[in-house]
Amino acid sequence: AQSVTQLDSQVPVFEEAPVELRCNYSSSVSVYLFWYVQYPNQGLQLLLKYLSGSTLVKGINGFEAEFNKSQTSFHLRKPSVHISDTAEYFCAVNLRDSGGSNYKLTFGKGTLLTVNP
Amino acid sequence: NAGVTQTPKFQVLKTGQSMTLQCAQDMNHNSMYWYRQDPGMGLRLIYYSASEGTTDKGEVPNGYNVSRLNKREFSLRLESAAPSQTSVYFCASSDPSGGTDTQYFGPGTRLTVL
Repeated sequence: AQSVTQLDSQVPVFEEAPVELRCNYSSSVSVYLFWYVQYPNQGLQLLLKYLSGSTLVKGINGFEAEFNKSQTSFHLRKPSVHISDTAEYFCAVNLRDSGGSNYKLTFGKGTLLTVNP
Repeated sequence: NAGVTQTPKFQVLKTGQSMTLQCAQDMNHNSMYWYRQDPGMGLRLIYYSASEGTTDKGEVPNGYNVSRLNKREFSLRLESAAPSQTSVYFCASSDPSGGTDTQYFGPGTRLTVL
């Protein structure tokens, strides 16, 4: 069974500081990895995803993530955050359903990023 | 395009009452999903429909039923609500492409069961 671990439930930072949100996954097969963002009182939207190829993936709003197969990690980074980046961030892995052809997305428990002035 | 829409936005039920959460998408996606979100738990899959006419259980299906009414609509029914079903419910849709597809989420329904 696959799992996704987000190591920090809350990350407070000051505006214009760099930030890294950590995500580790457990899987013995190739995976597709995603970061979704949820702004207050809204649904989730895709920030970026890793499918194959370059291990550095760029997403919206200046975010990027690096896939590290040996460490089974997919950490999200931004060099300089804004107040508007305050949101909850979810790491997710998409794996084929056991015995079937469908894929299921498994989410981590989320990291609340709070950007303070 | 409205994307994924959900109704209602808020609902308060008493224990034992029933209700149906509605979801519709206008992106012509084949797959639709229902999740629940609880504090500190992330999103957990309740049911999904890989294509019109099919539904399958997810991680937490107990106490729920679903109907894929047509390609656009996927409803979630609580037959006898319990306080443990107090949660925020999200519907999502995607066009399956071997696991690489992006899921598009609705704005959520906030349900409180007293």
